[in-house]
Amino acid sequence: GAGVSQSPSNKVTEKGKDVELRCDPISGHTALYWYRQSLGQGLEFLIYFQGNSAPDKSGLPSDRFSAERTGGSVSTLTIQRTQQEDSAVYLCASSSRLAGGPSRTGELFFGEGSRLTVL
Amino acid sequence: AQTVTQSQPEMSVQEAETVTLSCTYDTSENNYYLFWYKQPPSRQMILVIRQEAYKQQNATENRFSVNFQKAAKSFSLKISDSQLGDTAMYFCAFTVSGGSNYKLTFGKGTLLTVNP
Repeated sequence: GAGVSQSPSNKVTEKGKDVELRCDPISGHTALYWYRQSLGQGLEFLIYFQGNSAPDKSGLPSDRFSAERTGGSVSTLTIQRTQQEDSAVYLCASSSRLAGGPSRTGELFFGEGSRLTVL
Repeated sequence: AQTVTQSQPEMSVQEAETVTLSCTYDTSENNYYLFWYKQPPSRQMILVIRQEAYKQQNATENRFSVNFQKAAKSFSLKISDSQLGDTAMYFCAFTVSGGSNYKLTFGKGTLLTVNP
């Protein structure tokens, strides 16, 4: 697609339920990031995928959070047994590592995010 | 570890006037990139301007310019001739260049309101 696509745009769930958030990056982009944006806070890094390399999971806040990226494209962020403190906007971004591409300067292209509300 | 600090949670400016948003950062790296991203109510983050640390010349993009002071680790954004569409959250961000991970570290943001 032309841009990074995320779904759902908004998700309301009950405490204890599992949720899945989806990210479809820009075609050809090998790097994919998940960030979390809580109210009044900046963006908190969660996880990074680059090609076939092992993902950098250093930002995942607990073992209830996991993410996968299938076929080097679409990614799913899963939150199990959701808690109220998980309420936030989850942003996905992608970038290209191709030589000469704009991403050589580190620019990320963001989706519009998925707003998660845990009641 | 790198940190990015934006000391102004909120700012306002009159349309057509100039406003400066502050950002400081802390790093031991010598080669890095700095960014200002804009997040309007639509939530999509949009790159406003980018600065390479090895360049002494300040980056400019139309009405947007930066004042990059490497020794002071300061990276402020100046918006000239402010427009109503500039109303948004502005985030300062940092990444190390040349590494295998272009992870961006963000500040907490400044909410800018442009008043008519």
